[in-house]
Amino acid sequence: DAKTTQPTSMDCAEGRAANLPCNHSTISGNEYVYWYRQIHSQGPQYIIHGLKNNETNEMASLIITEDRKSSTLILPHATLRDTAVYYCIVRVGGGTSYGKLTFGQGTILTVHP
Amino acid sequence: DTAVSQTPKYLVTQMGNDKSIKCEQNLGHDTMYWYKQDSKKFLKIMFSYNNKELIINETVPNRFSPKSPDKAHLNLHINSLELGDSAVYFCASSLGDLLVNTEAFFGQGTRLTVV
Repeated sequence: DAKTTQPTSMDCAEGRAANLPCNHSTISGNEYVYWYRQIHSQGPQYIIHGLKNNETNEMASLIITEDRKSSTLILPHATLRDTAVYYCIVRVGGGTSYGKLTFGQGTILTVHP
Repeated sequence: DTAVSQTPKYLVTQMGNDKSIKCEQNLGHDTMYWYKQDSKKFLKIMFSYNNKELIINETVPNRFSPKSPDKAHLNLHINSLELGDSAVYFCASSLGDLLVNTEAFFGQGTRLTVV
């Protein structure tokens, strides 16, 4: 699976949009971009995923650049409860990566009042 | 209803003991996993089971033995516990083998402390 690079930490004011970047310059054509987050003392939680088109769900939006070498997770109106570690994961289904999510260090997002 | 539940939530035990962590999912998923999160907060997969069959074993010591009595349960048994086994263990499940367009659901974790 392709390696990802994320900033170690970011801050965001409550009510503002949080934009979390992720670089995945070695991504392959059949690899998807997934985002999970881990709130303190809880298990990781799925947020969103995409291949090449921008995606939006009730939690967030995912913007993938045209060359697919980077992406941005957008939390449109961050709340204090969004404070968590956010993981960007690039993976392909099947093959040797069968059923495996490879977590990096992630970005610690702190939302402050 | 809790989707993926693990018991116990906390486990403190002495070196050399044998302990088990239980995991159950009520989502009807056919694939279950065990992940380990160490003191540096890195999350790494240990095992993956699909329909009670072992799919992934990420070079985990033989002291760790997963057991899947049915699709809804994947228990983790650890023999001869060592200090380095102290970590948070997460159980997870998914529909299918985590091919694209599926997501994994994680339990709340079991914090294991070996003293």
